[in-house]
Amino acid sequence: AIQLTQSPSSLSASVGDRVTLTCRASQGISSALAWYQQKPGKAPKFLIYDASSLESGVPSRFSGSGSGTDFTLTISSLQPEDFATYYCQHFNSYPQSLTFGGGTKLEIK
Amino acid sequence: EVQVLESGGDLVQPGGSLRLSCVASGFTFSSYGMSWVRQAPGKGLEWVSAISGSGDTTYNADSVKGRFTISRDNSKNTLYLQMNSLRAEDTAVYYCASLTGSFLGYCDYWGQGTLVTVSS
Repeated sequence: AIQLTQSPSSLSASVGDRVTLTCRASQGISSALAWYQQKPGKAPKFLIYDASSLESGVPSRFSGSGSGTDFTLTISSLQPEDFATYYCQHFNSYPQSLTFGGGTKLEIK
Repeated sequence: EVQVLESGGDLVQPGGSLRLSCVASGFTFSSYGMSWVRQAPGKGLEWVSAISGSGDTTYNADSVKGRFTISRDNSKNTLYLQMNSLRAEDTAVYYCASLTGSFLGYCDYWGQGTLVTVSS
């Protein structure tokens, strides 16, 4: 099955910074990748699908890019509410399954 | 407005059983796949099981094959997870999520989670 590796595992940044998180697939997955944001004690929130499409209601400072094996989530200007853990996810055709990356924890510097 | 609400989490002994439920509203339930995703304390997200919109096709992670069974009742807009032979490593918050496709897809709407603790 395809594995997703996120880097870094944690990142410290300041309000207003531009940050880029990375997700690497163990084999090519075209653009079939989503990103989620999770805050402590809360359910994950769906942010981006098909690698670069922004889910309705998600602020435009979030953007996704990539295809094949390398993907990025960029936050153009960090806001206080963006400090959270971010996960990438793919759904596999064979074997049929869902896969999550290990997550990147974004912390306040 | 889409709403997803899980229930059924509890403290159970190793080797025991538990059934989780998830009621969904605000969308055509039978048209979309549904999934269970869990999160052990302090850990990341782990996919557990998924089911097609019709309920005819199910998918399970290797870690729960033969022990967990996912099912749905489209007349009640309800998803279930029957968990048998529970182990300490099954301790987690279990989330129910709707999928963007009729079979698999991305998890677009999530419940608030229900805690399952396996301990003697």
